[in-house]
Amino acid sequence: SHALTQPPSVSVAPGETARIPCGGDNIGSRSVHWYQQKPGQAPVLVISYDSDRPSGIPERFSGSNSGNTAALTISRVEAGDEADYFCQVWDATSDHSRVFGGGTKLTVL
Amino acid sequence: QVQLQESGPGLVKPSETLSLTCSVSANSISSGGYYWNWIRRPPGKGLEWIGYVAYTGHTNYSPSLESRVSISEDTSKIQFSLSLTSVTAADTAMYYCARGRYTYGSLDFDSWGQGILVTVSS
Repeated sequence: SHALTQPPSVSVAPGETARIPCGGDNIGSRSVHWYQQKPGQAPVLVISYDSDRPSGIPERFSGSNSGNTAALTISRVEAGDEADYFCQVWDATSDHSRVFGGGTKLTVL
Repeated sequence: QVQLQESGPGLVKPSETLSLTCSVSANSISSGGYYWNWIRRPPGKGLEWIGYVAYTGHTNYSPSLESRVSISEDTSKIQFSLSLTSVTAADTAMYYCARGRYTYGSLDFDSWGQGILVTVSS
């Protein structure tokens, strides 16, 4: 299996753009999904299959995936975006011991 | 939108078995092509996938837990369950059940329960 690497924290001012990377060996060849988890709440799927936004997710959320890095981008960041964000892959050929990245805490300054 | 709800004891003694149930607001968990998962998050740590039972009844578990975990379905009650044996303090976590969609060779989790905190302590 391949580990997914995320920075522990990212900080951004309100109104700015936050980019949260997820690194992995040739991750661009796999589909990446992203989850937002606020304190005391269950995770919410915000991006699936690299760049698809589920119904109800604001257009400010977007995703990309190429080479060894996938990324979640949040434009015009709001205070309500402060949360933990996790990337996730499912590799049918792996043993599924590394499904989620370690998570990134997004702090809105 | 499907709804999921975890239930079970919030306190389990070391070496005993953790048992949780997830109730699903769906006509059946054996139709629709979905995968029914358990995922946990220990305090101060990240998400960890535990395993799933598929709509076919097939199960798949994380290698790190495979020797201690079992996930089963109860189609008559539209529920699925988690059993984790020989628990230790390291199994203390918020446990979530989640619906998985398997498309184009990948699995994502589009609906989650609110979670249940399970503490392992004597």
